[in-house]
Amino acid sequence: SQTIHQWPATLVQPVGSPLSLECTVEGTSNPNLYWYRQAAGRGLQLLFYSVGIGQISSEVPQNLSASRPQDRQFILSSKKLLLSDSGFYLCARTLRLAGDNEQFFGPGTRLTVL
Amino acid sequence: GENVEQHPSTLSVQEGDSAVIKCTYSDSASNYFPWYKQELGKGPQLIIDIRSNVGEKKDQRIAVTLNKTAKHFSLHITETQPEDSAVYFCAASPISGGYNKLIFGAGTRLAVHP
Repeated sequence: SQTIHQWPATLVQPVGSPLSLECTVEGTSNPNLYWYRQAAGRGLQLLFYSVGIGQISSEVPQNLSASRPQDRQFILSSKKLLLSDSGFYLCARTLRLAGDNEQFFGPGTRLTVL
Repeated sequence: GENVEQHPSTLSVQEGDSAVIKCTYSDSASNYFPWYKQELGKGPQLIIDIRSNVGEKKDQRIAVTLNKTAKHFSLHITETQPEDSAVYFCAASPISGGYNKLIFGAGTRLAVHP
């Protein structure tokens, strides 16, 4: 199984509050992991990717951070949420096999910042 | 950097008709082109993909074509059914950094009317 779990499924948070979204994956070890954000009715924006434990790369400057404390765990965080952080957050993985580009997505977390 | 444009943004067809969604990409070194289907409130699901060494790939009612010279690729759905209604995203994978980055189009909302 290459299942991807995301928690929570939905979240409503006030402006200025902290955030922690969790992604855990099953199956093949040492996957590449990704965090995307999708604004309402829009495409997918890559936020962070990780090729291993403790290795995080950021694609866009923003109010968020990511961490990978374990091989199959990827966490998205913020110290103080902004209204513009609202959106649908998706975790994805690839298998890190040679030439394997296939990305698989989790079920997503819908975040509403009020 | 890579840019992917997707057209149309919305598409409405009658059940049984065909639907075609087109994408263009800017980076001629891109070598992998997946298509995703996203139903409301869910994560995107990979439905078909094509690599740069082939021109066409088919899986039952869906097919993808790739024109490397023109940097175009298209999704074709035949005999559409109401359950095909969803948002479809194309993506391209530029050769960059070895982490299998995907650049997504903005999406096409397909509505299939009974």
